[in-house]
Amino acid sequence: DAGITQSPRHKVTETGTPVTLRCHQTENHRYMYWYRQDPGHGLRLIHYSYGVKDTDKGEVSDGYSVSRSKTEDFLLTLESATSSQTSVYFCAISETLYSNQPQHFGDGTRLSIL
Amino acid sequence: AQKITQTQPGMFVQEKEAVTLDCTYDTSDPSYGLFWYKQPSSGEMIFLIYQGSYDQQNATEGRYSLNFQKARKSANLVISASQLGDSAMYFCAMRDQGAQKLVFGQGTRLTINP
Repeated sequence: DAGITQSPRHKVTETGTPVTLRCHQTENHRYMYWYRQDPGHGLRLIHYSYGVKDTDKGEVSDGYSVSRSKTEDFLLTLESATSSQTSVYFCAISETLYSNQPQHFGDGTRLSIL
Repeated sequence: AQKITQTQPGMFVQEKEAVTLDCTYDTSDPSYGLFWYKQPSSGEMIFLIYQGSYDQQNATEGRYSLNFQKARKSANLVISASQLGDSAMYFCAMRDQGAQKLVFGQGTRLTINP
């Protein structure tokens, strides 16, 4: 299994509070991703990173920010959480951008915003 | 734009039978990869099988095979001799060459009955 650890695994918080999710990898892969999974939508890309301090937006980036200060860590921050951000969040990693390269996923973080 | 369509929200199959999960895709890029992931009730995303757009033969991985029909833009997953442990959500996904994100379908929930 790919060495990807997400923390926390579960979190319940209140609307308006800041939340940070962490993804840690031991594979030394260059590319890291944050997705959210919602019923009826499959997984959708929030942000991604193509190197240390190099990040860009995905298709559902509003309300989220990311940071990557080390190859192994990719942080997702909700500056002021809203109920619409209740979801399951997955981190993924990829070694290259070749189309035959699968992304490998962490076990997910279940986030509930009350 | 890339798009993945999985038309079967749920499938019910008897144990030991073969099952086919449908996936159609759309892309304008001639070079792309197609992936299937399994998500059991525990929540993790498990990579199952890959098919490249230029591959001449259908991909196989143990009991999993991919029925790739390029002209029809379909990439159906076939599971032979189904087992109770195959009960899960199954997602079809694709990635264009050089693209950052995986595009996912909405998933098919497969239930194997004893």
